[in-house]
Amino acid sequence: AQSVTQLGSHVSVSEGALVLLRCNYSSSVPPYLFWYVQYPNQGLQLLLKYTSAATLVKGINGFEAEFKKSETSFHLTKPSAHMSDAAEYFCAVTTNTGNQFYFGTGTSLTVIP
Amino acid sequence: KAGVTQTPRYLIKTRGQQVTLSCSPISGHRSVSWYQQTPGQGLQFLFEYFSETQRNKGNFPGRFSGRQFSNSRSEMNVSTLELGDSALYLCASSLENRGQETQYFGPGTRLLVL
Repeated sequence: AQSVTQLGSHVSVSEGALVLLRCNYSSSVPPYLFWYVQYPNQGLQLLLKYTSAATLVKGINGFEAEFKKSETSFHLTKPSAHMSDAAEYFCAVTTNTGNQFYFGTGTSLTVIP
Repeated sequence: KAGVTQTPRYLIKTRGQQVTLSCSPISGHRSVSWYQQTPGQGLQFLFEYFSETQRNKGNFPGRFSGRQFSNSRSEMNVSTLELGDSALYLCASSLENRGQETQYFGPGTRLLVL
């Protein structure tokens, strides 16, 4: 079975500060990991995904995430927060043997001017 | 390519009624997944259809059902609506929903049950 835990349901950062959103996964087989972003009243948009090609994955809008197997983590970072980054962020896991996404509970990011 | 479309975008119903939501996947995608999103429960998987067959099902009562047509369009039906069914219903499509494929989400249908 697969699962995802997102630590911190709410994160606040100052504009220009580092953004760090945490995601830990549980999977009995090699996972594929995704980060999605959701703006108010919209669907989810893919930020980036890990597919075993490279452990450091770069996504859109300056975000990146690093897959760390030893820590079972896939934390999302961005060096400098922008006001437009304020949104809900979801981490998800799936595997090659299944066809269902397992989402975390989400982290709401607030950017303080 | 057009993205995933969902209709209607907003819906208001009363308790006991039933509702049907529609999802048109990206052209060529054969898998459609449905999710319920609420502030308290987050994103919860409802079911997934692939080539007109329900392939996966989440932990929801039988009042929630769905189907997929030969053109991959999918509908979700909720019967005997309850106040707790108020939520944003999202559908997502992918080619086959396997492995590293991305799921592409529609904008959602916001259902309010009064």
